[in-house]
Parts: sequence; structure tokens; C-alpha cells
Amino acid sequence: DQQVKQNSPSLSVQEGRISILNCDYTNSMFDYFLWYKKYPAEGPTFLISISSIKDKNEDGRFTVFLNKSAKHLSLHIVPSQPGDSAVYFCAAPIYEGGSTLGRLYFGRGTQLTVWP
Amino acid sequence: NAGVTQTPKFRVLKTGQSMTLLCAQDMNHEYMYWYRQDPGMGLRLIHYSVGEGTTAKGEVPDGYNVSRLKKQNFLLGLESAAPSQTSVYFCASRKDRGLYGYTFGSGTRLTVV
Repeated sequence: DQQVKQNSPSLSVQEGRISILNCDYTNSMFDYFLWYKKYPAEGPTFLISISSIKDKNEDGRFTVFLNKSAKHLSLHIVPSQPGDSAVYFCAAPIYEGGSTLGRLYFGRGTQLTVWP
Repeated sequence: NAGVTQTPKFRVLKTGQSMTLLCAQDMNHEYMYWYRQDPGMGLRLIHYSVGEGTTAKGEVPDGYNVSRLKKQNFLLGLESAAPSQTSVYFCASRKDRGLYGYTFGSGTRLTVV
């Protein structure tokens, strides 16, 4: 059963507009969430994270919002640029015996396309 | 350039053949991981290592073996490849058990026919 869900496989946005990528999770014990970005033929790269003690984290054009009651987080990109076109993965830590050891659950990803 | 290097980048295997995927990092990282990415499935953890000489199973370990004889290398083995193992394999490393600083390799695309 998927612990982290990204239900939209793709999103298309015009340059300059806002992109909103969504992620839902099932485990209320998750205390940390991350977003990774992946270009074709490259490995994923870390983009931004948020702790469960916060409801918002901002880094330049990227903001992640967390709604713990709804078990939902979203990544906002404003303004969107063509170079943002990539697959975005939501991730949460795998806990076992109280430790993550750096392991992550990943969502299925959302392909973002930003057109001029 | 410092980072995670995966070898080979592409490979086609016949069912039943064996092969080893090599992951090498030059950042002196303790923790290393093997993930696979399948269409519509995201990345799933196969095996991981928390230091030289250690290995442990992840979410989908069946059909794979791993070894970490040297700190900088993490090998993923397929003893008898199956078409279900057709995937893109990513290796990642990190310095410690925290959640930042995950460095991924560029992936190995494996096709089993």
C-alpha cells in the first residue's frame, strides 16, 4: 500500500504562472517530508523539505505547504519557468525501530511541463 | 567531479543471466542506497547500507543481493535476471542518517528480455 501518493501524473502550466503539485500521505507518524526534482537521464536532486512542526517552508520560488489534518502537502512554484519542467517526487521517511537511517518512501511523481 | 557514479548506464540482459551494478561515491559517505524506478511506481528502496561491511533489506529486496566491501562502493547483484527486474536503478549516498544531503547517481537502465 502506498504511503505517499501523488495522484496527478502530469501538470502543464504556462510560464510565469503558478504550479501547484500535490501529495497525500497515509501515515500520521511521518514527521518530515521532502520534494525531489528529476530531469531525464539524471538522478533526482533534493529541492525542499518541511518538518511536521511547520505548515509552510519557503525557498525562493518554491514553497511547500503542509496540512497535517488532511495529510496533504503541496509544492508551489511561483513564477514557473521552462527550466522547471521535470518530474517532481514527494518523499517521506521510512521508520523502523524508531530510526529512518535515511530511507525514504517516494510518491509516483508528477511530470511538470512549463510552456512559454 | 565529486558525486555518485553508476556503472553501466545501460544494459540488456536475457532472462536468467546475472550481472552486477556498481555504485561508487567519492564523498566519504557512510550511508548508501539502491532504489528502482518503474513507470507509475516512483522510487522503491531495494537494499541499503549504513557503513562498510553492512547491508540491509529495503521495501523490494527479492531477487537482488548487495555487498559493501569497501566504503566507497555499493554493488547490486542480480543472480538470475527476470523481466520484472526491467527498471531504472538509482544509487544514492549520504553522509549520516539525517534526511538532507541525499546524492543520487544518474541511474542504470536495465532491460531484461
